[in-house]
Amino acid sequence: GQQLNQSPQSMFIQEGEDVSMNCTSSSIFNTWLWYKQDPGEGPVLLIALYKAGELTSNGRLTAQFGITRKDSFLNISASIPSDVGIYFCAGYSGGGADGLTFGKGTHLIIQP
Amino acid sequence: AAGVIQSPRHLIKEKRETATLKCYPIPRHDTVYWYQQGPGQDPQFLISFYEKMQSDKGSIPDRFSAQQFSDYHSELNMSSLELGDSALYFCASSLKAGENTDTQYFGPGTRLTVL
Repeated sequence: GQQLNQSPQSMFIQEGEDVSMNCTSSSIFNTWLWYKQDPGEGPVLLIALYKAGELTSNGRLTAQFGITRKDSFLNISASIPSDVGIYFCAGYSGGGADGLTFGKGTHLIIQP
Repeated sequence: AAGVIQSPRHLIKEKRETATLKCYPIPRHDTVYWYQQGPGQDPQFLISFYEKMQSDKGSIPDRFSAQQFSDYHSELNMSSLELGDSALYFCASSLKAGENTDTQYFGPGTRLTVL
């Protein structure tokens, strides 16, 4: 099946630093979604990307849908303690396939 | 804004018992999806329903079944529970009949523990 390679697996940063994570795939996706998940909770949608090349911002978050439709990145600027959590990328391929394909997640840890 | 509602939030069962998880999608959403997330894993797609009909099937065991009702809520039925079924189960919903239809919103999940 389809796989998403998400990196880095974990990040240890200082408060106020910028963060960058990305996902790549050998398959084309029609939609890229970025979620944040806190322990024991459901994934919360951060940004949705629908067109190749699209660059979208949501507050301190910026994400882009790669031109090849096989990759996406998420940047977080000026990190704050509440940014701690696991960030997942997810791709939707369409064509009758409903399920999202998730990356393995990036665990963001902020050191005071 | 209203979100996806799941019940119960926590469930403890013995091996070989059955469990039923419920999902109430965001109002006016017509599609529900079920995912399973093991410890330290990413969510894995199980099954989806659109307008009360099964739409797509993922890695759902034969011991599990699901349906969507006329009010669009969905239930995941799990029988002959095994220890390996212990996981977080998420429901997500979306509106297929519209623009940007592939955006799935997740509920808070049901934590199932099989003893």
